[in-house]
Amino acid sequence: GAVVSQHPSRVICKSGTSVKIECRSLDFQATTMFWYRQFPKQSLMLMATSNEGSKATYEQGVEKDKFLINHASLTLSTLTVTSAHPEDSSFYICSAPSRGLRATDTQYFGPGTRLTVL
Amino acid sequence: ILNVEQSPQSLHVQEGDSTNFTCSFPSSNFYALHWYRWETAKSPEALFVMTLNGDEKKKGRISATLNTKEGYSYLYIKGSQPEDSATYLCAFYPGATISGNTPLVFGKGTRLSVIA
Repeated sequence: GAVVSQHPSRVICKSGTSVKIECRSLDFQATTMFWYRQFPKQSLMLMATSNEGSKATYEQGVEKDKFLINHASLTLSTLTVTSAHPEDSSFYICSAPSRGLRATDTQYFGPGTRLTVL
Repeated sequence: ILNVEQSPQSLHVQEGDSTNFTCSFPSSNFYALHWYRWETAKSPEALFVMTLNGDEKKKGRISATLNTKEGYSYLYIKGSQPEDSATYLCAFYPGATISGNTPLVFGKGTRLSVIA
């Protein structure tokens, strides 16, 4: 099956610093990748859709200047949390659809990144 | 706001027991329902994608049913094994959002622990 990797798996940083998270599709090309966030005891919530070669589209309430997304190649999308603050501490996870964006297309997920901002 | 509810939140069963849990979703504007299995420190793994009312899918000891008219899906595990311990997520596909994205809307999951 398709494999998506995510790096780092865990990061602890000081308030005010920026953190970059990488999401890679290892054995398939992904023109679209999704970035989700999960707070404790909550469900995975979509933050933004990353599109190769074009701007990401963000869900309502997600600040695009704070969560910078770059999808420069067909196998790599990055999420940069700029000037991170403790309230940004969360679990971030990416996914890529197996084929297209149809309702029946399986999502392949990375293992996630636990971000802790002190 | 679309809401996907999963129950119970957590479940402890003995090895060999059969178990089931529920996913409830809005019955209007249905496109698809996904089930994922998520083991700790691993990536969520797709189990089923279901689209038709009355659909039943099976993968080994795990099966799922779908009722789109009343807005629920059941996941069954027959003869639970310790390796079945994981969080089981369901996700509803409602079509494109205002932003034009096509996200899955996830429930909070059911955490299953199978005790040997």
